[in-house]
Amino acid sequence: DSGVTQTPKHLITATGQRVTLRCSPRSGDLSVYWYQQSLDQGLQFLIQYYNGEERAKGNILERFSAQQFPDLHSELNLSSLELGDSALYFCASSLAGDPYNEQFFGPGTRLTVL
Amino acid sequence: DAKTTQPPSMDCAEGRAANLPCNHSTISGNEYVYWYRQIHSQGPQYIIHGLKNNETNEMASLIITEDRKSSTLILPHATLRDTAVYYCIANDYKLSFGAGTTVTVRA
Repeated sequence: DSGVTQTPKHLITATGQRVTLRCSPRSGDLSVYWYQQSLDQGLQFLIQYYNGEERAKGNILERFSAQQFPDLHSELNLSSLELGDSALYFCASSLAGDPYNEQFFGPGTRLTVL
Repeated sequence: DAKTTQPPSMDCAEGRAANLPCNHSTISGNEYVYWYRQIHSQGPQYIIHGLKNNETNEMASLIITEDRKSSTLILPHATLRDTAVYYCIANDYKLSFGAGTTVTVRA
């Protein structure tokens, strides 16, 4: 158990819909990272927040957005969903945004878009 | 981001050392070498990381060549629970996972 929690575990929805994935980092961790793992693309970095501020962006689509709240939990919002958005979405946390800190990954949310 | 090259798969006997190679010839001076592993569809698990020097922790050892163009992850006594996909990443905190090496530990 990494100490990172993600809800829900599974999510099934239809194309065109909007969903919100939630992540609670480990106690004391200030950075939250979001990753997407699909069968054809592998595990890709989406976005990072540090203490409420966006720190880095990766391959995140414009239809996706995220935020980190004052209590440090984070939400990833996915809108206008397409079949290709079906994937495992992982959240990770680390103590700070510096490169040398290890990231602790949550169990993931499996999103299925029908 | 430095591109990494790893063998797609390797087998290892239980109780023996597993040596996982990684090539990262385009690594830049401020990029670390990280190793993570992923068991089935669980969240990736951190193993070890280093910049220039060899590193060892309770899970593994990391050997980085002097020119930093390649590295080797050593699992000293592989167990069946070490069967996983192992990812070598040469990057900053925006981890960029490649295809990794699927390691199968056999009894």
